[in-house]
Amino acid sequence: KQEVTQIPAALSVPEGENLVLNCSFTDSAIYNLQWFRQDPGKGLTSLLLIQSSQREQTSGRLNASLDKSSGRSTLYIAASQPGDSATYLCAVNFGGAQKLVFGQGTRLTINP
Amino acid sequence: GAVVSQHPSRVICKSGTSVKIECRSLDFQATTMFWYRQFPKQSLMLMATSNEGSKATYEQGVEKDKFLINHASLTLSTLTVTSAHPEDSSFYICSAPTNQETQYFGPGTRLLVL
Repeated sequence: KQEVTQIPAALSVPEGENLVLNCSFTDSAIYNLQWFRQDPGKGLTSLLLIQSSQREQTSGRLNASLDKSSGRSTLYIAASQPGDSATYLCAVNFGGAQKLVFGQGTRLTINP
Repeated sequence: GAVVSQHPSRVICKSGTSVKIECRSLDFQATTMFWYRQFPKQSLMLMATSNEGSKATYEQGVEKDKFLINHASLTLSTLTVTSAHPEDSSFYICSAPTNQETQYFGPGTRLLVL
């Protein structure tokens, strides 16, 4: 069964710290992986998309890496800010049909 | 980035009634759209794939007669929850992929069935 797992479920850190969110997935034959942000009661905002052939993607203070062989992806957030507080979701496209399997999410709180 | 809208954003209905939720891609065409369901503090679960010009494809365990999907055009998909019951109360979110394969999500519709 194709599954996506995110650890930790919740994380609280002081403002300014660098942090890493983890995502692991079964079945290394993925098509692509996408990181999203979800604010309470809202839809999802796409942060980064990593294709199967790529090892990392960067956007501003965010960097996402992909290691297919170990079935892992990380989202690195530099110099965290209170506005970064949200739930971060990792989603994997296993089959190329663009259907996404989501992890449970990491609820991030940045304390001023 | 691309924009996907949903309407309504929130709906409250009585048990036994039907509710229609619209998903629109505002600045791009989408031959495929996806419908997800999210329970409180849980992740998204794919319900079905909406295909323009053909029948929707439902995930295992999702009742197709309960959740009717119509992909009327390249920019519009609708999800109708028929004979809604309190257990259908949830947050419903649609998404559409662009040609670049990035998926863009709508803002979601919160359904409460009394």
